[in-house]
Amino acid sequence: GQQVMQIPQYQHVQEGEDFTTYCNSSTTLSNIQWYKQRPGGHPVFLIQLVKSGEVKKQKRLTFQFGEAKKNSSLHITATQTTDVGTYFCATGDSWGKFQFGAGTQVVVTP
Amino acid sequence: EPEVTQTPSHQVTQMGQEVILRCVPISNHLYFYWYRQILGQKVEFLVSFYNNEISEKSEIFDDQFSVERPDGSNFTLKIRSTKLEDSAMYFCASYLSGAGPIIDTQYFGPGTRLTVL
Repeated sequence: GQQVMQIPQYQHVQEGEDFTTYCNSSTTLSNIQWYKQRPGGHPVFLIQLVKSGEVKKQKRLTFQFGEAKKNSSLHITATQTTDVGTYFCATGDSWGKFQFGAGTQVVVTP
Repeated sequence: EPEVTQTPSHQVTQMGQEVILRCVPISNHLYFYWYRQILGQKVEFLVSFYNNEISEKSEIFDDQFSVERPDGSNFTLKIRSTKLEDSAMYFCASYLSGAGPIIDTQYFGPGTRLTVL
């Protein structure tokens, strides 16, 4: 099945700085979803990407799907304390089976 | 904002006992899921359910697990004989998508924390 690897596992960011988390696969993906999970909370869907080279923005968050559809990135600008949490990428196949990456745990220092 | 609900929020059980975790997906959604997350680890897919039957399941979802949609609203996960390693947070999720399994928005419930002693 499709597997996605996420790096880095942990990210310590100073408030106001930018950071990027990456999601990589050895196979071509039909889609990528990104989720955010606050400490003690449940995953919250952020976005889905399906097209090669697709870029979507949500305020300070920029999501990108690679041209080869084997990688994706989430870039956050001007990090705020509200950005704390774990960001997961996930991919689903045509039978509805989803694989999640291990997540990037983000800690923001004021 | 529509939401998925799950009960109970925390379930403590003895090893070997049966547990049933309950979920009420969003009412007009068509696809339902169970995931589990061991503390500090990634979200793991267990099973997907569509049109009153399992559409996909993972290797974790062995004969000890079963799912049901007993009526038009509830979606349950049963673990027949719990093991220590079943201790985890179990999330239910649903989404609408009437055009195949390419999701629009997948809504997760708040989870049930299962503790097996």
